[in-house]
Amino acid sequence: NAGVTQTPKFRVLKTGQSMTLLCAQDMNHEYMYWYRQDPGMGLRLIHYSVGEGTTAKGEVPDGYNVSRLKKQNFLLGLESAAPSQTSVYFCASSVDRFTEAFFGQGTRLTVV
Amino acid sequence: AQKITQTQPGMFVQEKEAVTLDCTYDTSDQSYGLFWYKQPSSGEMIFLIYQGSYDEQNATEGRYSLNFQKARKSANLVISASQLGDSAMYFCAMSPYGNNRLAFGKGNQVVVIP
Repeated sequence: NAGVTQTPKFRVLKTGQSMTLLCAQDMNHEYMYWYRQDPGMGLRLIHYSVGEGTTAKGEVPDGYNVSRLKKQNFLLGLESAAPSQTSVYFCASSVDRFTEAFFGQGTRLTVV
Repeated sequence: AQKITQTQPGMFVQEKEAVTLDCTYDTSDQSYGLFWYKQPSSGEMIFLIYQGSYDEQNATEGRYSLNFQKARKSANLVISASQLGDSAMYFCAMSPYGNNRLAFGKGNQVVVIP
């Protein structure tokens, strides 16, 4: 049982480059989330989705886009990476808002 | 939007002792869920315990219990009989009925010493 899988685990980007982070879950969860974690800041919500074809902005959405074309996948895109987007990114999924969220292992992204 | 506050500085706890981690929150919703997660140094996020705002009993899961005081908007985590493996960051999180966001506090660092 894979749970929540994030791809890639590590990435180094140059300023201005673009990339997509993939989150895949095999638990048939409706809710999916993308967070970034920076030292001393906890986890901040970037975007989230409550079902296939739906997305919504979280606390820090600027500079990111997302898509949920398939229920099991939630993609996070950076169109033009900036050093301020250097962070650890976590994806999570849950059945609904009142049940535990399962997290991926995280993606460490460095923008130079 | 909801706000979750965890303000304690890093804590050192003696092995086998209990530790309480503070969490306060602010929301206008009457219905919401409260969560605690653990993040060890390896980085993964581990779910510990859940409390619904309408649950009359405080939640318990093994050595973890949640001291829920709705009027004070407080959801403190109590870890009993601390073990060395409890050394980690602990995050409080909340999901209100009024929106679908699962929001986290900034975390509490706990170090268990033998």
